[in-house]
Amino acid sequence: DAGVIQSPRHEVTEMGQEVTLRCKPISGHNSLFWYRQTMMRGLELLIYFNNNVPIDDSGMPEDRFSAKMPNASFSTLKIQPSEPRDSAVYFCASSYTGGPVETQYFGPGTRLLVL
Amino acid sequence: GNSVTQMEGPVTLSEEAFLTINCTYTATGYPSLFWYVQYPGEGLQLLLKATKADDKGSNKGFEATYRKETTSFHLEKGSVQVSDSAVYFCALRGGGSEKLVFGKGTKLTVNP
Repeated sequence: DAGVIQSPRHEVTEMGQEVTLRCKPISGHNSLFWYRQTMMRGLELLIYFNNNVPIDDSGMPEDRFSAKMPNASFSTLKIQPSEPRDSAVYFCASSYTGGPVETQYFGPGTRLLVL
Repeated sequence: GNSVTQMEGPVTLSEEAFLTINCTYTATGYPSLFWYVQYPGEGLQLLLKATKADDKGSNKGFEATYRKETTSFHLEKGSVQVSDSAVYFCALRGGGSEKLVFGKGTKLTVNP
């Protein structure tokens, strides 16, 4: 059975360009999380959705970042315009809320480099 | 707010050595506690978890016991292997919230 799927796996872009990261959660899961991982700041939660609705976006760095979840099987994280300090690994994770202890399953990540 | 503190790395061990990675937490109520592992170039994978005091989570020879009196969830393994080389993250989920709070991670290298 497929896990969380993220695309692209690697992205190199120039400062000022728009970047779109994509995530397909595990089928049946109703919560989706976007994280950013850097050496300096570790693993940070950017935003999470429950039943396609954004619940907490307090971790989104600034207005350049936006996330959507148009349906239960797809989410995007967009950066516009991108800056070199956005270079990081971005992870998507999903879970089923309603079980005894919700466990988050992570995708392989998107490695973003902004030049 | 909720927070997790884990020992600074990196940790370097020889194969078959005993491993301990310390983790302490601050939280209101009764959080659930987790250890995640990240192998090079991959996402995080759940290693083990515990949901209440005195619970012991275990998987692949790793163990951790939820100690409420010391607010700790230390990770242990009796005999590490080269394949255990990875970054280990302690995390908690506070009551009523879906958010995971992670420690900064501890990099483990096991040499043959």
